[in-house]
Amino acid sequence: AQSVTQLDSHVSVSEGTPVLLRCNYSSSYSPSLFWYVQHPNKGLQLLLKYTSAATLVKGINGFEAEFKKSETSFHLTKPSAHMSDAAEYFCVVSRTSGNTPLVFGKGTRLSVIA
Amino acid sequence: DTEVTQTPKHLVMGMTNKKSLKCEQHMGHRAMYWYKQKAKKPPELMFVYSYEKLSINESVPSRFSPECPNSSLLNLHLHALQPEDSALYLCASSPGLAGAVDTGELFFGEGSRLTVL
Repeated sequence: AQSVTQLDSHVSVSEGTPVLLRCNYSSSYSPSLFWYVQHPNKGLQLLLKYTSAATLVKGINGFEAEFKKSETSFHLTKPSAHMSDAAEYFCVVSRTSGNTPLVFGKGTRLSVIA
Repeated sequence: DTEVTQTPKHLVMGMTNKKSLKCEQHMGHRAMYWYKQKAKKPPELMFVYSYEKLSINESVPSRFSPECPNSSLLNLHLHALQPEDSALYLCASSPGLAGAVDTGELFFGEGSRLTVL
């Protein structure tokens, strides 16, 4: 079985400072990992994905994440937060093959203070 | 065109009403999904269609009835709902693998916000 744990339910940063959203995963198989973002009253948008290629993954809007197998982590980072980054972020895991739907973490709400 | 379009955006219905939510994509994707999302919670999978056949039903009550008329359309028929069914209903699609649920990227619509009185 797979699972993800988002270690913070809420993160607050000042505009222009770095963002770190933490995610640990558990998987018996080689996982695919994703970060999705959801702005208020909107659907989810894919930020980035890891599928066993490069361990450092670059996504949209300046976000990146590093897959660390030894730490079972897939933390999301951005060097400088922008007001528009305020949203809910979901870490998601799936198997790289097979008939298993995605497993969502509980989400981290990012607030950006001016 | 990378959009998943959901209608209506908002729906208010009584517990005795029958209504439907609609979802459309023109990306040639062969897997389509319904998710339910309550406030401040992650999406919960309800149904998956793969190549127009129901692939996964996550033990959803029968008052929710999905339908996939063709590879571009996905409906969710609603009947005799309860107030606790009020939520954001999200449709998603993915390229799809024959006979399997895609494990790649999902493309989400903006959702239909349902209120049951």
